[in-house]
Amino acid sequence: AQSVTQLDSQVPVFEEAPVELRCNYSSSVSVYLFWYVQYPNQGLQLLLKYLSGSTLVKGINGFEAEFNKSQTSFHLRKPSVHISDTAEYFCAVSENTGNQFYFGTGTSLTVIP
Amino acid sequence: ETGVTQSPTHLIKTRGQQVTLRCSSQSGHNTVSWYQQALGQGPQFIFQYYREEENGRGNFPPRFSGLQFPNYSSELNVNALELDDSALYLCASSLYRARRNTEAFFGQGTRLTVV
Repeated sequence: AQSVTQLDSQVPVFEEAPVELRCNYSSSVSVYLFWYVQYPNQGLQLLLKYLSGSTLVKGINGFEAEFNKSQTSFHLRKPSVHISDTAEYFCAVSENTGNQFYFGTGTSLTVIP
Repeated sequence: ETGVTQSPTHLIKTRGQQVTLRCSSQSGHNTVSWYQQALGQGPQFIFQYYREEENGRGNFPPRFSGLQFPNYSSELNVNALELDDSALYLCASSLYRARRNTEAFFGQGTRLTVV
């Protein structure tokens, strides 16, 4: 069985400050890891994904994440946030490349001017 | 704009009724997945269809059923609606080829309210 824990339900941060959104997972098998963003009244958009290879993954809009197998974590970071980054962020795992995701409960990022 | 369209965008149903939600996948995609997102929660995987066959199912009762058509569009049917079925229903499409799936693209969802 797989599960995803997003440790912070809400993260307020000032514009141009750095941010880290935390994600931990549990699985009995190797997993693939994803971060999605959801803007109000929208579907989900892929930010980045880890399938294999380098543990530091770069995505769109300046986001990056690091896969840490020993700590079973996949935290999302951005060095300088913008007002437009205000959204809900979801961490997800999949045990194959079949796009059958298990999502966390989400982190609401609010960027304060 | 992902090319995945869902209809309707909103609807209200009465407890006990049946509902059909529709999803048109992105051009060239042959796999469709459905997710239920309750208010304040992450999406939960309902099931996936590939080549008109169910290809994986989450922890949802049999009253949640689906179809995929030859043009790869899909329907989600829910019978005997319950109040807890109120949620945003998301559809995602991707291309399965050479034993791998491409990135999944999500539609904007259908907001179902059961009263």
